[in-house]
Amino acid sequence: DTAVSQTPKYLVTQMGNDKSIKCEQNLGHDTMYWYKQDSKKFLKIMFSYNNKELIINETVPNRFSPKSPDKAHLNLHINSLELGDSAVYFCASMGSTDTQYFGPGTRLTVL
Amino acid sequence: SQKIEQNSEALNIQEGKTATLTCNYTNYSPAYLQWYRQDPGRGPVFLLLIRENEKEKRKERLKVTFDTTLKQSLFHITASQPADSATYLCALPLYNFNKFYFGSGTKLNVKP
Repeated sequence: DTAVSQTPKYLVTQMGNDKSIKCEQNLGHDTMYWYKQDSKKFLKIMFSYNNKELIINETVPNRFSPKSPDKAHLNLHINSLELGDSAVYFCASMGSTDTQYFGPGTRLTVL
Repeated sequence: SQKIEQNSEALNIQEGKTATLTCNYTNYSPAYLQWYRQDPGRGPVFLLLIRENEKEKRKERLKVTFDTTLKQSLFHITASQPADSATYLCALPLYNFNKFYFGSGTKLNVKP
């Protein structure tokens, strides 16, 4: 069973479009995260949620809107996509063991 | 702000040798430090966690040290194998573990 899953795996879209990435974890964890990994492989935190509540918003443009319908899901909606949004987006979750479990990533390409 | 540095250049070693990767940090005293492995096209996978009161942690061929005075962690892979080739990332928690900073990673190449 996949612990943390993301869909889609690849996303190619035009500038100005709106898109969503979905994340689900079946580990029963309370905390979930969104990270962005750029072309230089820097993994940077975007958002942190705990029990469906937003804890950390790491100065991300408000075009990015996370939503957590329940503890197992954390989705990311992006409005008005820009070229600079092209990156790999990772979802992760963490429980009581201080270990983060990452999803497979979504490679977003904005043309 | 927190700064985490890892060797940006790739580390090339011969199979069977010990690989040593470095993670240096500034401006903070973390409660623990994590090491992850990332293969191309995949998400990071957790390897080891070492807490501030631990000097050393081992798991099979992996060993991590944590020097809070030097603000440095060393990650060792003994008897390295080509399958160990990957990018290795260190990470530090902040704000009650709701936020993590990652280093840029060091790419390890183990040649047969």
